[in-house]
Amino acid sequence: GENVEQHPSTLSVQEGDSAVIKCTYSDSASNYFPWYKQELGKRPQLIIDIRSNVGEKKDQRIAVTLNKTAKHFSLHITETQPEDSAVYFCAAISGGYQKVTFGTGTKLQVIP
Amino acid sequence: EPEVTQTPSHQVTQMGQEVILRCVPISNHLYFYWYRQILGQKVEFLVSFYNNEISEKSEIFDDQFSVERPDGSNFTLKIRSTKLEDSAMYFCASTWTGGNTEAFFGQGTRLTVV
Repeated sequence: GENVEQHPSTLSVQEGDSAVIKCTYSDSASNYFPWYKQELGKRPQLIIDIRSNVGEKKDQRIAVTLNKTAKHFSLHITETQPEDSAVYFCAAISGGYQKVTFGTGTKLQVIP
Repeated sequence: EPEVTQTPSHQVTQMGQEVILRCVPISNHLYFYWYRQILGQKVEFLVSFYNNEISEKSEIFDDQFSVERPDGSNFTLKIRSTKLEDSAMYFCASTWTGGNTEAFFGQGTRLTVV
């Protein structure tokens, strides 16, 4: 089955700096890679996703890159703000039924 | 904006008891899922459900667990004979189509087994 590894487990940045979170996956058939933000005690919410036919996607301060050959993808947050503080999960999905394999999460702390 | 709703928000149960967690997916979604998140850990897939049957399940989803769509709106997770290690947040999610589409999560049910 799919295995998703995520690094780092914790990340502290100063407000305004950039944050990068990296994930690797094992199943070359995985074709959809969402990123979820989870604030304390709340539900995971999709912030950006990328499909396997695309190398990069950007949405305002958030971008995701995908390297299919190396089987890794990364989340980039620029100009970080205190409200970006949360746990971020990457995930990989293969097949038609969306069995989602989540990474272990990165706790991001943005220091004002 | 439509959302997935779950009840109850918190359930406390004695070890060995049965619990039923309830979810109302987004009305026009066709695929339904249950996930588990043990405190401080990652979200884990339990089961996906489509066309009134299980389409995929993880190794966590053993005979202790069952899912049902008893009517046109509810989607339930039943845990028989709960164990202490079943204590976790349980999230329901739904998608319009399976695979490659955004999953909308409910707010979760925190299950505490004592």
